[in-house]
Amino acid sequence: EDQVTQSPEALRLQEGESSSLNCSYTVSGLRGLFWYRQDPGKGPEFLFTLYSAGEEKEKERLKATLTKKESFLHITAPKPEDSATYLCAVPANSGYALNFGKGTSLLVTP
Amino acid sequence: SAVISQKPSRDICQRGTSLTIQCQVDSQVTMMFWYRQQPGQSLTLIATANQGSEATYESGFVIDKFPISRPNLTFSTLTVSNMSPEDSSIYLCSVVFSAGESYEQYFGPGTRLTVT
Repeated sequence: EDQVTQSPEALRLQEGESSSLNCSYTVSGLRGLFWYRQDPGKGPEFLFTLYSAGEEKEKERLKATLTKKESFLHITAPKPEDSATYLCAVPANSGYALNFGKGTSLLVTP
Repeated sequence: SAVISQKPSRDICQRGTSLTIQCQVDSQVTMMFWYRQQPGQSLTLIATANQGSEATYESGFVIDKFPISRPNLTFSTLTVSNMSPEDSSIYLCSVVFSAGESYEQYFGPGTRLTVT
């Protein structure tokens, strides 16, 4: 069964302290790995889709990378407004619906 | 991308009643899904909302409990029937935009349901 595991469950950073979030996956034939940001009480906000090992995508202070077994979301010089839960997901079975990891709750303090 | 709206944004309902959640998209989409997010948990797929045919439900979810309608390519409803406190969750609709091998999935703002 396809699985997505995220670590750490929670991460507390000082403003400006760079770090990385991990998403490891076990799927047969990856058709995409998705990253989302979710603020409390809101729907997930789409960030990136990665399709092949070696691919990288960037958005402001976020950079997502992909290997054959895992993806990293690197956060460079984070600000308090980057505080949120970050979710990764992979397509379920052969369709387009997603299997989500449990997320990493990020808190950036001033 | 797309602008996705859901109604209501939140509701408090009594045990045994039903609530219908609406999802409206500002453009035509082929694929639309309904997810549930229980308190402190990640998202779980409930069903695929198929236009013109019955929804496709995931294991653990049944049509009698979560009937879904999809009358056209921009609108869907999810009903949570005979509610119990265990149904207290955020319910989210999502849509997929695809181009060749690549695709993106966008979510609505969610409906926060509390059952008392």
